Amino acid sequence: QQQVKQSPQSLIVQKGGISIINCAYENTAFDYFPWYQQFPGKGPALLIAIRPDVSEKKEGRFTISFNKSAKQFSLHIMDSQPGDSATYFCAAERGSGGGADGLTFGKGTHLIIQP
Amino acid sequence: DAGVIQSPRHEVTEMGQEVTLRCKPISGHDYLFWYRQTMMRGLELLIYFNNNVPIDDSGMPEDRFSAKMPNASFSTLKIQPSEPRDSAVYFCASSPSVEGAVYGYTFGSGTRLTVV
Repeated sequence: QQQVKQSPQSLIVQKGGISIINCAYENTAFDYFPWYQQFPGKGPALLIAIRPDVSEKKEGRFTISFNKSAKQFSLHIMDSQPGDSATYFCAAERGSGGGADGLTFGKGTHLIIQP
Repeated sequence: DAGVIQSPRHEVTEMGQEVTLRCKPISGHDYLFWYRQTMMRGLELLIYFNNNVPIDDSGMPEDRFSAKMPNASFSTLKIQPSEPRDSAVYFCASSPSVEGAVYGYTFGSGTRLTVV
């Protein structure tokens, strides 16, 4: 599987601030880029996803920015809240065209929102 | 919908013993994936099935690992014999496909395996 590189490994943000997590990928065949949120003792849960035909997708306080030429995408969490404290994973997949490869995940970012 | 159901939630076993992890995917989902999560390696894809047929098992670490999907509502991941380095959280996930494209995996809560 091609690698997906995620940064930072850990992040501390004050309540109300903006949390930004970045990912870069190598395989240009990837066409589906989701972000997952994981709480301790739980499985990853789909947060938001984007396909490369758009440069930005927003759902509530969560926004994905996508730069196809740079092969990078990022998650922005606006007005960060203590309940957002979790581990966030970016992922990528060649999800269309008659087949699936399975998600390739970044290593995760441990986000702490300080009250 | 009860989501993806995995059992057991926790498993502690002795080295050399056989371990079987179980998964019930969401009804109607035609893809099923097994992942392993460790601190060192993160989330790794082990194997996945499409319509109960194994498609890619290149992520299975060794012949000690095997997976089956006898029907659309049940899959197992077996480790025989188990070793301490197999200790990890094992996740099952399922996904529907629309016109061949895969969307939105749903993960189970995982099985935390400890091999002593």
